[in-house]
Amino acid sequence: EVQLLESGGGLVQPGGSLRLSCAASGPTFSSYAMSWVRQAPGKGLEWVSAISGSGSATYYADSVKGRFTISRDYSKNTLYLQMISLRAEDSAVYYCAKDPPNGSLDNWGQGTLVTVSS
Amino acid sequence: DIQMTQSPSTLSASVGDRVTITCRASQSIVGWLAWYQQKPGKAPKVLIHKASSLESGVPSRFSGSGSGTEFTLTISSLQPDDFATYYCRQYDSYPYTFGQGTKLEIK
Repeated sequence: EVQLLESGGGLVQPGGSLRLSCAASGPTFSSYAMSWVRQAPGKGLEWVSAISGSGSATYYADSVKGRFTISRDYSKNTLYLQMISLRAEDSAVYYCAKDPPNGSLDNWGQGTLVTVSS
Repeated sequence: DIQMTQSPSTLSASVGDRVTITCRASQSIVGWLAWYQQKPGKAPKVLIHKASSLESGVPSRFSGSGSGTEFTLTISSLQPDDFATYYCRQYDSYPYTFGQGTKLEIK
């Protein structure tokens, strides 16, 4: 089973930037797509972004399009989420998840908390 | 974007009960639907994908059905470990979307 470990969360002011990382164990990192999903405190799950196994295709929720960029580094087996122009409503726990061909999001990290506040 | 509507939002039940959660899509998603269980402070865990395919290791008391726009998750006999929040998610088209969740509480 793939192990995923997120990092990079923290407190940032409105309008600020943050880059989240998700380190994946295992040699098959390039074999599958990856997603970011977030959960605001006390709220439900919100799909944020996805990237194909090859990295050639990326997808975003309307709420983050133009502000967030997903990418992956195969040499480091790491997924990233670059976030700019952060807003209070971006405050959430951010999870990375493995997205196999069956679409199930079958492995999740433990999450990293992002707080946008002055 | 495809909207996913779950019902009920909260469900009170007892150990041994049979419960059903419904998820409706705003347009056909064929069978591209997954169900997740989430406990407080934990990451979600996938239970079912492709509407009715049980994930490896998930107890057989969980089952999913449906196609098109209407889907259900059924737990045949509730166990104490099943009290959690459940979410559906469509992956027919981007942006993927989750239902708002159903909190399953002990009666």
